[in-house]
Amino acid sequence: SYVLTQPPSVSVAPGKTARITCGGNNIGIKSVHWYQQRPGQAPVLVIFYNTDRPSGIPERFSGSNSGNTATLTISGVAAGDEADYYCQVWDSGSHHRVFGGGTKLTVL
Amino acid sequence: QVQLVESGGGVVQPGKSLRLSCAASGFIFSGYTMHWVRQAPGKGLAWVALISHDGNTLYYGDSVKGRVTISRDNFDNTVNLQINSLRTEDTAVYYCARELEGSLYMDVWGKGTTVTVSS
Repeated sequence: SYVLTQPPSVSVAPGKTARITCGGNNIGIKSVHWYQQRPGQAPVLVIFYNTDRPSGIPERFSGSNSGNTATLTISGVAAGDEADYYCQVWDSGSHHRVFGGGTKLTVL
Repeated sequence: QVQLVESGGGVVQPGKSLRLSCAASGFIFSGYTMHWVRQAPGKGLAWVALISHDGNTLYYGDSVKGRVTISRDNFDNTVNLQINSLRTEDTAVYYCARELEGSLYMDVWGKGTTVTVSS
């Protein structure tokens, strides 16, 4: 089955830019979706179809996808962005939904 | 407003069965694929199962296949997850989530229900 690889943790100072990667074999041809999960809360969709933002998600959140890596970028990071972030794709072979292992974003 | 509310979790002995439910409101339930996703303590999200908008297509994750059955009732606006032969590794928060048919992403999630498998 398809495997998504994320770094376990990313740290960034307030106001700086955080980049969270999601690696997968030829992931650039897939649609990647990103979820934010704050401690003790349910996941929230922050990016879908690689680059689109749901209503209510700040423009500071953006996404890209090319080659073997998709990236979630959070600009002007604030304390409220501290959370776990998960990438997700559809595995066309099995029809399963696949999540990456998650990345803990720490705001220093 | 759009809402998903899970129920049915609890403490269960290994080998027993459990049925989780998710009640949907605020949207046209029959237009959405529904998912169950679980999260073991301190671990990441793991997709469990999906059922298509009309109930005709079912898929299960490899870790639960053969022990889990997903079902839905488009009149009651509910989706259920029957888990049999529970194992300690099934201990997790179980979330239901909706996916607009064919969109391939989950745009609304419930708050989850906790299942603890312990003797």
